[in-house]
Order: sequence, then C-alpha cells, then structure tokens
Amino acid sequence: GESVGLHLPTLSVQEGDNSIINCAYSNSASDYFIWYKQESGKGPQFIIDIRSNMDKRQGQRVTVLLNKTVKHLSLQIAATQPGDSAVYFCAEETGYALNFGKGTSLLVTP
Amino acid sequence: DAGVTQSPTHLIKTRGQQVTLRCSPKSGHDTVSWYQQALGQGPQFIFQYYEEEERQRGNFPDRFSGHQFPNYSSELNVNALLLGDSALYLCASSFGQLAYGYTFGSGTRLTVV
Repeated sequence: GESVGLHLPTLSVQEGDNSIINCAYSNSASDYFIWYKQESGKGPQFIIDIRSNMDKRQGQRVTVLLNKTVKHLSLQIAATQPGDSAVYFCAEETGYALNFGKGTSLLVTP
Repeated sequence: DAGVTQSPTHLIKTRGQQVTLRCSPKSGHDTVSWYQQALGQGPQFIFQYYEEEERQRGNFPDRFSGHQFPNYSSELNVNALLLGDSALYLCASSFGQLAYGYTFGSGTRLTVV
C-alpha cells in the first residue's frame, strides 16, 4: 500500500479564504517532505519543503506543518486565489526517489 | 533559462508496440528520474539515471528501460505496450542523485489503444 496519502480527495474554498490540505505518511524514517502543485497539462511544481528536524516552515502565502508524532503533514494556503486551483501532492523522499500520495484537488470559487 | 523539456507531448500507440520518450534536463542538472502518473494518481518512480547508468529502479517490469547520454539527456523506452501503460510520463532532473531540487517537465501523455 501507499505510505503517503491524503485525507481528502477534493477541497472547495472561496476566494480569499485560507485552505488547509492534509497528508499522512507511514515511514517514520522519512527525513524530507515536499508539497507540489500540479495544474492541468503540466508537471508538478515545487511549492515548499520541510525536513524532519523542523515543525513548521513558511513561504510566500504557504505554510507547511509537520507533526512527527502522528506522522502528519499539512499545507496551509493563505488568502486562496483562483490561480491556486490545482491538484496538490505531498511527497516523501525515500533516498533517491520521491513517494507521492494520490493528491487533493483544490477548487477556488469566486 | 530552459527548464526540463520532454518530447513528444502526446503519443498514441497500439498494444504490443514500442515507444521512446525523450527528456532534456534543466541546465546544470546531471541526473534524470522518470515517473509514471496514471490518471487521478500521484507519480510513481520508474528509475533514475546518473553518470549514464541506471542507479535506482522502482517497481516496474523490464519492459521499461532507459538511457542517459553524455549531455545528460535521457530516453525512456517501453516495449510490448499494454493498455495499462497509458499514463503521463514525467521526467525530473536534479543535480546529484538524491531526490532534492527536482525540476519536472510537463510530461508526455501516452495513450495505448
């Protein structure tokens, strides 16, 4: 089975609201996690990453939280915009490869 | 600065045929990794090429093979195509073998009929 998965397959939010996308992982030895955004017809685009020695990392309008106790990741997007509509994947580094979850589709409505 | 370039963008093949997909890495990158993304799924690691050799391989059969050239570009070959091989094939380049600093291409959409 998958070691990285997402709690919700789809998420609909209103423009301007904050979005939270969740992810569970099962490999407690994972050291590095990444969030990707994938728009239709494009490859995954790096959003933000975090190492296992951190609990939180902030970027521009995005924050990733890591809870190692329950093996849970979340991506928070502030003031969600229509351009944020896409599929979001979390991935864990497994040495020389990334293990991706199935993804959450984020739909931003006006 | 050109990113990762993949060709072709779309391809339709018949069951049993063979296909070759191509990838040019981002300038400064020396490692190419290939992923298969089925519709509605996350990408799955196929293999990685570094210094012109296959270094790591995911859970894919030997029908999937590849090559890396001295200029770091890479090819993915799939023999004896099955309907289940229909997917988006993504190339990711990086500097060094570890899965950090990936840049993904836009992929090749392969349809097997």
